Amino acid sequence: GENVEQHPSTLSVQEGDSAVIKCTYSDSASNYFPWYKQELGKRPQLIIDIRSNVGEKKDQRIAVTLNKTAKHFSLHITETQPEDSAVYFCAAKAAGNKLTFGGGTRVLVKP
Amino acid sequence: DVKVTQSSRYLVKRTGEKVFLECVQDMDHENMFWYRQDPGLGLRLIYFSYDVKMKEKGDIPEGYSVSREKKERFSLILESASTNQTSMYLCASSLVGQGAGEAFFGQGTRLTVV
Repeated sequence: GENVEQHPSTLSVQEGDSAVIKCTYSDSASNYFPWYKQELGKRPQLIIDIRSNVGEKKDQRIAVTLNKTAKHFSLHITETQPEDSAVYFCAAKAAGNKLTFGGGTRVLVKP
Repeated sequence: DVKVTQSSRYLVKRTGEKVFLECVQDMDHENMFWYRQDPGLGLRLIYFSYDVKMKEKGDIPEGYSVSREKKERFSLILESASTNQTSMYLCASSLVGQGAGEAFFGQGTRLTVV
């Protein structure tokens, strides 16, 4: 089955700097790659996603890139702000219905 | 707005008890999922269901079973709770289809088995 690995597990950045989180997946049939943000005590919520027919997608300060050949995708957050502090999860979904998550990255933005 | 509601926010159960965690969604989603969230281990899939009465094992199904008698409701059952099942349990739902994908999560149930 699908295996998703996520790095780093923790990331500390200075406010205003960029943050990058990387994920790799194992199933070449995976075609949907969402990113979720989970604030302390809250449920995970989708922040951006990308499908396999697209190499990059951007939404204001966040962007996701996908390299299908290498089977990895990344989340980029620019101009980080304290409210970006949270746990971020990547995930991958193949043609079936199963959604597999990475281990999560705890991001701390220091003012 | 999609609503995914889990029946309890916190539960404390004794070892050996049969435990039911209930999840209801109101957006007519075909897919429903149960995940377990533990520090450093991310979200691990226990079971999922893509239709009424249909279920598939996830990555860690041992010690759990599920029931989906109605489209909107997906139950997770711990037949005989053990202390290693102490965790945060998250339910989610999503549509199926080519353009679908986003999973909507419930608020979570923190289960403590003593």
